[in-house]
Amino acid sequence: DGGITQSPKYLFRKEGQNVTLSCEQNLNHDAMYWYRQDPGQGLRLIYYSQIVNDFQKGDIAEGYSVSREKKESFPLTVTSAQKNPTAFYLCASSIWIRAGNEKLFFGSGTQLSVL
Amino acid sequence: QQQVKQSPQSLIVQKGGISIINCAYENTAFDYFPWYQQFPGKGPALLIAIRPDVSEKKEGRFTISFNKSAKQFSLHIMDSQPGDSATYFCAASMRTDKLIFGTGTRLQVFP
Repeated sequence: DGGITQSPKYLFRKEGQNVTLSCEQNLNHDAMYWYRQDPGQGLRLIYYSQIVNDFQKGDIAEGYSVSREKKESFPLTVTSAQKNPTAFYLCASSIWIRAGNEKLFFGSGTQLSVL
Repeated sequence: QQQVKQSPQSLIVQKGGISIINCAYENTAFDYFPWYQQFPGKGPALLIAIRPDVSEKKEGRFTISFNKSAKQFSLHIMDSQPGDSATYFCAASMRTDKLIFGTGTRLQVFP
């Protein structure tokens, strides 16, 4: 089955701890994205990547970091600098961003909570 | 100017009724307007999309109405069913740029 796999489904973070959310896609898409979802605030873009070894900050990048070493993988690290990390995190991909108007394919999300 | 304003935040509709969700935008350079549907615990999925050269697009029970002069677009769900209960997001983008999402509408359809 082609798609996007996010893991884990639930994650708990202790204060001062960095945690990494996994996102893998087998759709052969060039572009990948990380969104944060909070109730009543919609989907806010954290980071996106159009090509391997390149990524750009989205609207709320502070306290987060990413890497894109492989086309299939785009992990997100929530650092201790992110003071309010509790949210539902969604990874997405699209064929490529420069075509515009591209359909986004989303994973099933990771719910991150603070202990 | 980059915002997409969505209303209402929540909507309760009886089975068989019409669900209407509205979105408004400011940036006239937007040229792509999709709607995404999200079920609890899942990621959103593209439901239907429209470009500004048409005023309406219909796919089954789902219709997008687009008013270019008013800078508004809306999703109409005809004959709403309990299985339509989900969160709906409108979005907009300019060519070669990222999607801007609305804040979402939680729809509940009761039998």
